[in-house]
Amino acid sequence: GAGVSQSPSNKVTEKGKDVELRCDPISGHTALYWYRQSLGQGLEFLIYFQGNSAPDKSGLPSDRFSAERTGGSVSTLTIQRTQQEDSAVYLCASSRNSPLHFGNGTRLTVT
Amino acid sequence: AQSVSQHNHHVILSEAASLELGCNYSYGGTVNLFWYVQYPGQHLQLLLKYFSGDPLVKGIKGFEAEFIKSKFSFNLRKPSVQWSDTAEYFCAVFTYFGTGTSLTVIP
Repeated sequence: GAGVSQSPSNKVTEKGKDVELRCDPISGHTALYWYRQSLGQGLEFLIYFQGNSAPDKSGLPSDRFSAERTGGSVSTLTIQRTQQEDSAVYLCASSRNSPLHFGNGTRLTVT
Repeated sequence: AQSVSQHNHHVILSEAASLELGCNYSYGGTVNLFWYVQYPGQHLQLLLKYFSGDPLVKGIKGFEAEFIKSKFSFNLRKPSVQWSDTAEYFCAVFTYFGTGTSLTVIP
């Protein structure tokens, strides 16, 4: 069946621009996670959505980062006024219970 | 807050060598434990998981892991690695991940 789909797969942007990253989870998965993967840093938790509950935003590194999940399905991660340190692979994962099913990620490069 | 430690950052082995990757966590309650693998150019995928029961769990491709509650550990093992095992391995407690271990297997 279809897995977690993320778009775009690669994004190059200039410092100061805003970017939007999209995640289509597996149908029926109520939980959706965003992680950031930087070289040598492992997976950094960003935000977690579970059903209709308020999201857990405890991992967002600054107020430039925000995410929403519309209709309990598609999610968008927005980074405003991008900085070079935002360059990383942004991973989305979804689950029904456990474990997590990951997408291929969006590689963001801020120049 | 939970934390997950993977002490081996880079491991290089020859084919047929045995593998053990360490994973320790800090959480006193009931845990869900996972090992995920990321092959070059591919997405993260589940290798094996432990929720309860037999503390020795077996996953895909001959991997196994042992949950030792007293040591807060969930080490990954494979008796004989193959070149195709070259990948990044991540230990996770619930949805909290370690920093990963890069394994390179030399033919």
